[in-house]
Amino acid sequence: EIVLTQSPATLSLSPGERATLSCRASQSVSSYLAWYQQKSGQAPRLLIYDASNRATGVPARFSGSGSGTDFTLTISSLEAEDFAVYYCQQRSDGPLYTFGQGTKLEIK
Amino acid sequence: QVQLQESGPGLVKPAETLSLTCSVAGGSISSYHWSWIRQPPGKGLEWIGVISSSGSTNYNPSLKSRLTISVDTSKSQFSLKLTSVTAADTALYYCARHYCSGVNCYYFNYWGQGTLVTVSS
Repeated sequence: EIVLTQSPATLSLSPGERATLSCRASQSVSSYLAWYQQKSGQAPRLLIYDASNRATGVPARFSGSGSGTDFTLTISSLEAEDFAVYYCQQRSDGPLYTFGQGTKLEIK
Repeated sequence: QVQLQESGPGLVKPAETLSLTCSVAGGSISSYHWSWIRQPPGKGLEWIGVISSSGSTNYNPSLKSRLTISVDTSKSQFSLKLTSVTAADTALYYCARHYCSGVNCYYFNYWGQGTLVTVSS
């Protein structure tokens, strides 16, 4: 099973700042990695797929990068609605889908 | 507009069977892959299993011996049955539709709002 490890567990920033979230895979997932945003009391929302492609309707301030085992989600300038929990997710042979443990982005 | 709605009992006794249904509106259930995903209270996401557009299934190995996912295309619904439940199965259960990038349907772009299932006597 491929394990995804996200860091940091919690990120405290202010609106307008840049956020950088990391996801590391225990073995290569090529570019088959997604990022989700989950707000309190809501289902997750797909933000990024194939490591760097924004899903429909996702603002341009969200960007993804990386391949192999190291991936990054960047939010260029935080807005109030961006404070949430973010998960990375991959699909491996089986298939087996796994998620990282999440990064909580909180207001400083 | 695609909408998914989970339904089923909110309370299940230990050792009994958890049964949930996901009703799909706004798209052909036969054209997509569908998954169940769960989230224990205050914790992260765990993929449970998938039923493909062809009706084949794949399950999380950690749940495989207790799990059955099926589809009823006439009702535009798919279902989950998890046997011999314990308190560890207490979670918010989501159904989700897969998003395909080319031929790879590796992601989840439509989700239900989730239904909380508590395992307790």
